[in-house]
Amino acid sequence: DAKTTQPNSMESNEEEPVHLPCNHSTISGTDYIHWYRQLPSQGPEYVIHGLTSNVNNRMASLAIAEDRKSSTLILHRATLRDAAVYYCILRDVSGGSYIPTFGRGTSLIVHP
Amino acid sequence: GAVVSQHPSWVICKSGTSVKIECRSLDFQATTMFWYRQFPKQSLMLMATSNEGSKATYEQGVEKDKFLINHASLTLSTLTVTSAHPEDSSFYICSASPGPISGNTIYFGEGSWLTVV
Repeated sequence: DAKTTQPNSMESNEEEPVHLPCNHSTISGTDYIHWYRQLPSQGPEYVIHGLTSNVNNRMASLAIAEDRKSSTLILHRATLRDAAVYYCILRDVSGGSYIPTFGRGTSLIVHP
Repeated sequence: GAVVSQHPSWVICKSGTSVKIECRSLDFQATTMFWYRQFPKQSLMLMATSNEGSKATYEQGVEKDKFLINHASLTLSTLTVTSAHPEDSSFYICSASPGPISGNTIYFGEGSWLTVV
């Protein structure tokens, strides 16, 4: 899977929107952009994924740049329970490399 | 969403003994499952790729004779830590994917805390 880069940490206040960026300049045409988050002492959980168009679900929104070289995970109203490490990874569906590897992710701190 | 269950959630064992951790995909079949370990405040480190019906593929530096992986069916993979030592104490996490139909989304188990005393 192609490499992604994320800021080490970000901070937000409760009930404010949070925009978590991810750069993936070497993305290929068959790579899906996936976001996961990991709460302390738990396994990661799936948040959202997309290919080209922006995506919304009950947890978050995913905004994908037109050239697909970057994306942003949007939490519309941060809560204390959103404090976690957020991982952005690429997943190839073409039958190529499929091993999911994770970087350090972004540690989100939410202030009450 | 798809569910992956991992058991046990935590285990304490004596040095020199073996411990088995199970990973099950509850509502989909997984030809491939992945095993990770994670130390405090660090990212997930891929240990091995578990393939149903064949031998696991281990990452460089991971001892295959120490971390035995068996993927006996499309819904079950097991990780056995043999002759455990205190340095094997860690958080072990499995994951599985239903495949390209879901954009290769990965679903994770709850994780298993292993403490070797």
